[in-house]
Amino acid sequence: QKEVEQDPGPLSVPEGAIVSLNCTYSNSAFQYFMWYRQYSRKGPELLMYTYSSGNKEDGRFTAQVDKSSKYISLFIRDSQPSDSATYLCAMSLSNDYKLSFGAGTTVTVRA
Amino acid sequence: NAGVTQTPKFQVLKTGQSMTLQCAQDMNHNSMYWYRQDPGMGLRLIYYSASEGTTDKGEVPNGYNVSRLNKREFSLRLESAAPSQTSVYFCASMAGKRTQYFGPGTRLLVL
Repeated sequence: QKEVEQDPGPLSVPEGAIVSLNCTYSNSAFQYFMWYRQYSRKGPELLMYTYSSGNKEDGRFTAQVDKSSKYISLFIRDSQPSDSATYLCAMSLSNDYKLSFGAGTTVTVRA
Repeated sequence: NAGVTQTPKFQVLKTGQSMTLQCAQDMNHNSMYWYRQDPGMGLRLIYYSASEGTTDKGEVPNGYNVSRLNKREFSLRLESAAPSQTSVYFCASMAGKRTQYFGPGTRLLVL
């Protein structure tokens, strides 16, 4: 079993829809949780960063962490064709320099 | 401010050939990383360097070597390339709060 599980999709939604992405993990010691966005043939770029549990909002993006369920989510409101990308979750321990990544979910927003 | 740069962008090798992938960052980060990305596998850590003068193995180090030349530069060497090393390689550097910044990637094809 992988340490971080993420449904690879693909996910296709119409413009304006809410996109819901999630990851589950097995290591309850993870403290830092991130979402990266990767456009085709580009490097990943950090989208959202959360420490421990709770919600974080940034414009149309909301990240949620539920440590009791070992589950994290990313919601994209009012999705746009420019949101079409692969979204990777990542997490790390408090005393570690390494990140553990999910496999990524490919999202297409149809105009 | 270029961020993380990688050279070359694309390379074709024959089985058994060697090559070095170069990475440099201008953000004064202490930690640097090499990943490979394969379809359905997400990002897998090959080697990392928590600080200048140190290197450590990641999840998939076999067939690779690294050199942390100075604080800015971290190179990845394939001594005898194999078709299984066909992949997209990403270099990253990390700021203190677990935020990793990625380069644009090197696409490697081993025939």
